[in-house]
Amino acid sequence: GENVEQHPSTLSVQEGDSAVIKCTYSDSASNYFPWYKQELGKRPQLIIDIRSNVGEKKDQRIAVTLNKTAKHFSLHITETQPEDSAVYFCAAKWDTGTASKLTFGTGTRLQVTL
Amino acid sequence: DTEVTQTPKHLVMGMTNKKSLKCEQHMGHRAMYWYKQKAKKPPELMFVYSYEKLSINESVPSRFSPECPNSSLLNLHLHALQPEDSALYLCASSHPKGLAGGPVTGELFFGEGSRLTVL
Repeated sequence: GENVEQHPSTLSVQEGDSAVIKCTYSDSASNYFPWYKQELGKRPQLIIDIRSNVGEKKDQRIAVTLNKTAKHFSLHITETQPEDSAVYFCAAKWDTGTASKLTFGTGTRLQVTL
Repeated sequence: DTEVTQTPKHLVMGMTNKKSLKCEQHMGHRAMYWYKQKAKKPPELMFVYSYEKLSINESVPSRFSPECPNSSLLNLHLHALQPEDSALYLCASSHPKGLAGGPVTGELFFGEGSRLTVL
């Protein structure tokens, strides 16, 4: 099965700085890589995703890069704000039969300080 | 309607009780999922239903019994649970792989979760 590693487990940045979270996956059949933000006591919310045929995607302050050869993908947040503080999960999806499995990384707790 | 609705939001049960968690979506999704999330951990896949058939069971103990009565509903029946089963149970839905005309990304839409406490 798929194994997704995520680093770092905690990240503290000052407001306005950039934050980078990195993930690696094991199954080359994985074809979809979403990133979720989860605030305390709430559900994971999709913030950006990338398909395996795309190398980079950007949405305002958030960008994701994918290196299929190396099997790693990264989340970049620029101009961080206090409301970016949350736990971020990367994930990798692979298909089996008629169903798909989404496996999550271990999570990164991001703290944006004033 | 882009919501996945889960009930109840909170559930406290004893180890001898039988209870059920319910999940509903009206987005026409034909894949539905149960995930379990312990505190400070990532969601862990439990079950996947595709076109109302159980497609994936991640070796979940039989005290958890999923049911998909129709394409909009997903239940998780709970019986003889242990205190370590206390967690946030998340339901999600998506278009299944290969659905003609549907989104190809496979984005999962999560419900708000049911927080379960087993005493």
